Amino acid sequence: KAGVTQTPRYLIKTRGQQVTLSCSPISGHRSVSWYQQTPGQGLQFLFEYFSETQRNKGNFPGRFSGRQFSNSRSEMNVSTLELGDSALYLCASSRTGDFTGELFFGEGSRLTVL
Amino acid sequence: KNQVEQSPQSLIILEGKNCTLQCNYTVSPFSNLRWYKQDTGRGPVSLTIMTFSENTKSNGRYTATLDADTKQSSLHITASQLSDSASYICVVSAAGGYQKVTFGTGTKLQVIP
Repeated sequence: KAGVTQTPRYLIKTRGQQVTLSCSPISGHRSVSWYQQTPGQGLQFLFEYFSETQRNKGNFPGRFSGRQFSNSRSEMNVSTLELGDSALYLCASSRTGDFTGELFFGEGSRLTVL
Repeated sequence: KNQVEQSPQSLIILEGKNCTLQCNYTVSPFSNLRWYKQDTGRGPVSLTIMTFSENTKSNGRYTATLDADTKQSSLHITASQLSDSASYICVVSAAGGYQKVTFGTGTKLQVIP
């Protein structure tokens, strides 16, 4: 059974640019959640999608957005990149959408903003 | 404010030894507590999930305990192996879904030969 796949694994951008990250969940999982991980702040919840609807959102500015497609694949976008956006971005998939079920994480996309 | 504090921040132990990691939380109303293992540069992998009614859960050499009264959890690793070197993250969620999830900053464990 294939796990959660995130692409790209590594990317370098400059300030002001935008970036799109992709996440393919485990087959049959309808919930996809996104997280930002930095050495100083640890893991922070960005947003969660279930059946193409954003149902939960963390405390991040509007520059961070996402969407989910009918096949449950999800993308997140960060516009007008800032140096502080450098981080490991993780997505996780789950059968349930209420954070009671098992979460399966991808390997992450490491973003460096110069 | 919901908080999760983990201790120690980092730990070095000899291969074969046991160790215990701590997690104290102030999350309310409590829903579940999870321990994750995260290897450097990889995504977190779930070790255990515990609800209010569970006070011990094992996954191989990993045993998690939960004391809901004192709001403390511990992760005990038995007979450590070099592959146990990783960060261990405690995650506590309150009733209400993803927006009520609080992450600890993790304990970085290094197992040396």
